[in-house]
Amino acid sequence: GAGVSQSPRYKVAKRGQDVALRCDPISGHVSLFWYQQALGQGPEFLTYFQNEAQLDKSGLPSDRFFAERPEGSVSTLKIQRTQQEDSAVYLCASSLGSRLAQSHQETQYFGPGTRLLVL
Amino acid sequence: QKEVEQNSGPLSVPEGAIASLNCTYSDRGSQSFFWYRQYSGKSPELIMFIYSNGDKEDGRFTAQLNKASQYVSLLIRDSQPSDSATYLCAVNRLRRNTGKLIFGQGTTLQVKP
Repeated sequence: GAGVSQSPRYKVAKRGQDVALRCDPISGHVSLFWYQQALGQGPEFLTYFQNEAQLDKSGLPSDRFFAERPEGSVSTLKIQRTQQEDSAVYLCASSLGSRLAQSHQETQYFGPGTRLLVL
Repeated sequence: QKEVEQNSGPLSVPEGAIASLNCTYSDRGSQSFFWYRQYSGKSPELIMFIYSNGDKEDGRFTAQLNKASQYVSLLIRDSQPSDSATYLCAVNRLRRNTGKLIFGQGTTLQVKP
């Protein structure tokens, strides 16, 4: 597809359950970002990959959150032992990551998000 | 103080009017500024970006940046009911090894027919 895709679109988990959220970035995009958006708030940064390298994970809220992008394309965000406060929309975004462009100028394109509800 | 602040609204304007959305940021190291539109239940969609002081126009949209005042705004001319959405201001600071965006909480715009 032409855009960023995410799956599943909706996930209901029982408290304590592990979940895995998938992101397929735009083909050829080097940079990949994960954000968490709580209801009524703006997205908050979780982590950033350049190819397979996780260069910034400063936004991950706890060690229960883990992200990977082993082949530099698809990424998975895993949340272990989910808690009710993890309920949110998890957004994935990708950008070209061209060496010719400064990273701060690059447009990030967002996927549709995964809506996670922890009961 | 949040790094990026927006009035949550709702901002209500009549159809055909100019809607003015404002955003302030705290980090003087911020280099680039983005406006995203987000319809309810949907993901953010880029409207405009601006890097330099002054105005940047694209169709009915004008972004304004004043780095000295740490202020960025979005004007929507001839507002339409389809413009009703939440508008997110985002900034990107020049930092090594990251291109993360810092978002405001968003302003809800209601355009009434």
